[in-house]
Amino acid sequence: QKEVEQDPGPLSVPEGAIVSLNCTYSNSAFQYFMWYRQYSRKGPELLMYTYSSGNKEDGRFTAQVDKSSKYISLFIRDSQPSDSATYLCAMCSNDYKLSFGAGTTVTVRA
Amino acid sequence: DVKVTQSSRYLVKRTGEKVFLECVQDMDHENMFWYRQDPGLGLRLIYFSYDVKMKEKGDIPEGYSVSREKKERFSLILESASTNQTSMYLCASSFGASRHNEQFFGPGTRLTVL
Repeated sequence: QKEVEQDPGPLSVPEGAIVSLNCTYSNSAFQYFMWYRQYSRKGPELLMYTYSSGNKEDGRFTAQVDKSSKYISLFIRDSQPSDSATYLCAMCSNDYKLSFGAGTTVTVRA
Repeated sequence: DVKVTQSSRYLVKRTGEKVFLECVQDMDHENMFWYRQDPGLGLRLIYFSYDVKMKEKGDIPEGYSVSREKKERFSLILESASTNQTSMYLCASSFGASRHNEQFFGPGTRLTVL
């Protein structure tokens, strides 16, 4: 069993829809949770970071962590074609090594 | 802006060749990482380094070695390339004591081994 499970999709939504992405994990030592966005032919870049259970908002993006269920989510409101990318969840404990999900490819149709 | 650069965007090599992938970061980061990215498997850690001349194996080190002679540069070496090493290779760096553990990635090198 992988430490971090993420449905690879692909996910296709119309412009303006809410995109919902999620990951589950098995390692209860994970304390820091991140979402990276990766555009085609580019390296991943950090989108959202959180370290506690609950919600964190940044513009159209909301990251949600439920440590009791070992489940994290990313919501994108009012999705735009420019949001089309692969979204990777990542998490770590107290060291500096990240464990990544497989990534979900999202296409927002104009 | 943090910048992580990789020596090549695309590389084609033959089976058995020795391959060098170079990575340079300009933010004085202590930690540097090499990943490979394959469809459906996500990013898998090959090797990482937390200081000059220090290295540790990641999850899939077989067939690879690394070198870190200077703080800003981290090299990945394929001693004898094989077709199953065809992949996207990503380099990343981070601060040593970063609370966020944010890793900054380079643009990647797509390696094809024929």
